[in-house]
Amino acid sequence: KQEVTQIPAALSVPEGENLVLNCSFTDSAIYNLQWFRQDPGKGLTSLLLIQSSQREQTSGRLNASLDKSSGRSTLYIAASQPGDSATYLCAVSGGYQKVTFGTGTKLQVIP
Amino acid sequence: DVKVTQSSRYLVKRTGEKVFLECVQDMDHENMFWYRQDPGLGLRLIYFSYDVKMKEKGDIPEGYSVSREKKERFSLILESASTNQTSMYLCASSLQGGSNEKLFFGSGTQLSVL
Repeated sequence: KQEVTQIPAALSVPEGENLVLNCSFTDSAIYNLQWFRQDPGKGLTSLLLIQSSQREQTSGRLNASLDKSSGRSTLYIAASQPGDSATYLCAVSGGYQKVTFGTGTKLQVIP
Repeated sequence: DVKVTQSSRYLVKRTGEKVFLECVQDMDHENMFWYRQDPGLGLRLIYFSYDVKMKEKGDIPEGYSVSREKKERFSLILESASTNQTSMYLCASSLQGGSNEKLFFGSGTQLSVL
């Protein structure tokens, strides 16, 4: 059974800092990996999707990498802003509907 | 952009009531999903549907049923609500499940069962 872990559970950084969020998974036979953002009391917004054949994806200040062999993904946020404060979740797809979510990293960016 | 709409943001129900949660997507997606999200447990899949009138159990289907009579609409039904079903319920959809296809979520329904 796939297990997805995100450490740390919470992170607080000063504005402007570059930061890395981590996601690890136990089964490397994945279809894709997605990073989501969730604001308090809201749904999830897809940030980046990396297919199993890819190594990284970029969108603006966000860069996500994938290393299937080691079961790890990172989300890099450059020049963090207070508006980046949210919970970030990674989700690993084992194909079709088998998506396993991590419990998230709650990020606070302090002005 | 894909829009996934959940009919209620907040619901308060009594134990034993039958509860309907509605979800509508506007992009002709084949797949639709219902998750619940609880602190410390993350998102857990309740049911999903890959076509009209088709449904499959997820990891925690007990106490729930679903209905998909039209492609754009996927309903979650709590037959007899219980306090342990107090949770945030999230609906999601995807096109066909390809490796390059994202999951799109609604804004969630916070259900409280008293």
